[in-house]
Amino acid sequence: TQLLEQSPQFLSIQEGENLTVYCNSSSVFSSLQWYRQEPGEGPVLLVTVVTGGEVKKLKRLTFQFGDARKDSSLHITAAQPGDTGLYLCAGSGGGADGLTFGKGTHLIIQP
Amino acid sequence: ETGVTQTPRHLVMGMTNKKSLKCEQHLGHNAMYWYKQSAKKPLELMFVYSLEERVENNSVPSRFSPECPNSSHLFLHLHTLQPEDSALYLCASSQVLQGRYEQYFGPGTRLTVT
Repeated sequence: TQLLEQSPQFLSIQEGENLTVYCNSSSVFSSLQWYRQEPGEGPVLLVTVVTGGEVKKLKRLTFQFGDARKDSSLHITAAQPGDTGLYLCAGSGGGADGLTFGKGTHLIIQP
Repeated sequence: ETGVTQTPRHLVMGMTNKKSLKCEQHLGHNAMYWYKQSAKKPLELMFVYSLEERVENNSVPSRFSPECPNSSHLFLHLHTLQPEDSALYLCASSQVLQGRYEQYFGPGTRLTVT
């Protein structure tokens, strides 16, 4: 069974600070996705990383896939209240498999 | 309409009721999924349909019965549920391509079993 461990589970910081969220596994994934979910809504895809060592940027968000394709990180620079939400990482083994999700990181950015 | 839609958004049902959740995707994808999201647990995959054939059910109790009549529609039929089945039920779709398996989610159905 593939498991994804996310840390921290909860994070509350002030607007303007930087933060990093981690997603770790003992398994290798074909690709890894990051989602953001707001209360009462479904997860919204932020990014997909496929190649070991890959780095992708989405405005103030930087995503990195580990060299061995077992772990990933999400770094947010100068966090804003609009970044508040549940951040989920999810790994794919390939094909039409469902995704394996971590428990998520609940992020609160206080004005 | 675009993306993935789900109806109803909220559902309250008794343990003896029968109800169905509906999902429709407008993305031209060839795979659809049902997930269950409970508090303090990761999203749990329930069912996968690829090219309208079920490929995985992950030992889900038989009180949950999926149906995929075509590549755009997915149903989850519910009967004699238990209170612990109360959760957010999410539908997702994807276009299975070599090396990329992004899934796009609907807004979910918040189910409460009384």
